[in-house]
Amino acid sequence: NAGVTQTPKFQVLKTGQSMTLQCAQDMNHNSMYWYRQDPGMGLRLIYYSASEGTTDKGEVPNGYNVSRLNKREFSLRLESAAPSQTSVYFCASSAAGSIYGYTFGSGTRLTVV
Amino acid sequence: RKEVEQDPGPFNVPEGATVAFNCTYSNSASQSFFWYRQDCRKEPKLLMSVYSSGNEDGRFTAQLNRASQYISLLIRDSKLSDSATYLCVVHGGSQGNLIFGKGTKLSVKP
Repeated sequence: NAGVTQTPKFQVLKTGQSMTLQCAQDMNHNSMYWYRQDPGMGLRLIYYSASEGTTDKGEVPNGYNVSRLNKREFSLRLESAAPSQTSVYFCASSAAGSIYGYTFGSGTRLTVV
Repeated sequence: RKEVEQDPGPFNVPEGATVAFNCTYSNSASQSFFWYRQDCRKEPKLLMSVYSSGNEDGRFTAQLNRASQYISLLIRDSKLSDSATYLCVVHGGSQGNLIFGKGTKLSVKP
């Protein structure tokens, strides 16, 4: 099925461990985004990539890095996981900026212990 | 003023009821508006765009009032399957991205 694919779906990390969340879209979208969603906080933008080769910080970038590997793939890395990074992470993509809305992946549930 | 504000609910309504959600936004330059639906433990999915003239999709009607910076969603003849969280979404944050409200939870009971 066409859309946004995220891996893994679930992950448990120990404090200080690192990991990379993978995201790929097959809709030929230019822009890609990483959000985190916490109870009572709504969706918060971590990083985004307006086009291949560019990345920018969002609202809550601290503790994260991203790589726009090519037009299809946009990864999110946690270098040294902290319990405060326990969250649900969503990747999204859009065709032309934001005017047509975003398509989301199914999410990664991350727990840091 | 928060960028996008919604009543968190929950709204508990019986099947067949009409329910309305409201949303206000702070950026008067915003150009695109949406309602998303999010089921428990799932990703947000686009429900409908919101146009200046108002628009309808089956049982769902969206309205936009630019002067008041106010968006609404009306659901008629509620179904059990409408139970979800509804996110008000506005284009035009400081970085030109979509800004999501925290959502309004709807629970439709038999």
